Amino acid sequence: ETGVTQTPRHLVMGMTNKKSLKCEQHLGHNAMYWYKQSAKKPLELMFVYNFKEQTENNSVPSRFSPECPNSSHLFLHLHTLQPEDSALYLCASSQEFGTTSGNEQFFGPGTRLTVL
Amino acid sequence: ELKVEQNPLFLSMQEGKNYTIYCNYSTTSDRLYWYRQDPGKSLESLFVLLSNGAVKQEGRLMASLDTKARLSTLHITAAVHDLSATYFCAVLTNAGKSTFGDGTTLTVKP
Repeated sequence: ETGVTQTPRHLVMGMTNKKSLKCEQHLGHNAMYWYKQSAKKPLELMFVYNFKEQTENNSVPSRFSPECPNSSHLFLHLHTLQPEDSALYLCASSQEFGTTSGNEQFFGPGTRLTVL
Repeated sequence: ELKVEQNPLFLSMQEGKNYTIYCNYSTTSDRLYWYRQDPGKSLESLFVLLSNGAVKQEGRLMASLDTKARLSTLHITAAVHDLSATYFCAVLTNAGKSTFGDGTTLTVKP
């Protein structure tokens, strides 16, 4: 595997379900990100982890819970979601978070989530 | 709060024509990125602009950055159908976060 991978690619869940999205990067990067992309909205940054430490939480509802066990893996745990949470969830990684590097982000293919 | 505005949001152009997409941002930054997204796909990094006056070119696309004007441009030369996609600019703030514009959806028609 190369680059940034995400599983599953598609997910349909009910509002009472609990599911998790997985992201893995094979680039040796130290920062990982979760973004939400909805129709007709710009890309929204949700969470940032830098060297496994959470550095950003952009006022994301608690029904989204991130987990970063190591620099290569990032999870997004989902529970009691709402239909408006249906979106494309993108994971990205970069060498490091902050301004000391180019911070060019490499994106995974995304998980298309539908909440019924 | 940093605002990043792209225009136009939708662009339909004929093959062979030239056009420019603009990205304006509201706060000081000297790092700007351009990404491409094909329908149903993820974002692909196109250009990284790291200083005032930076210019990068790849094929029919050329990106530039004017940090004093807080403006980046993505110029398309002699468009071809393969360039049809949505293009995003993203600005890196001093806090280290990237804020994305709304995207410009480009359709190139024969």
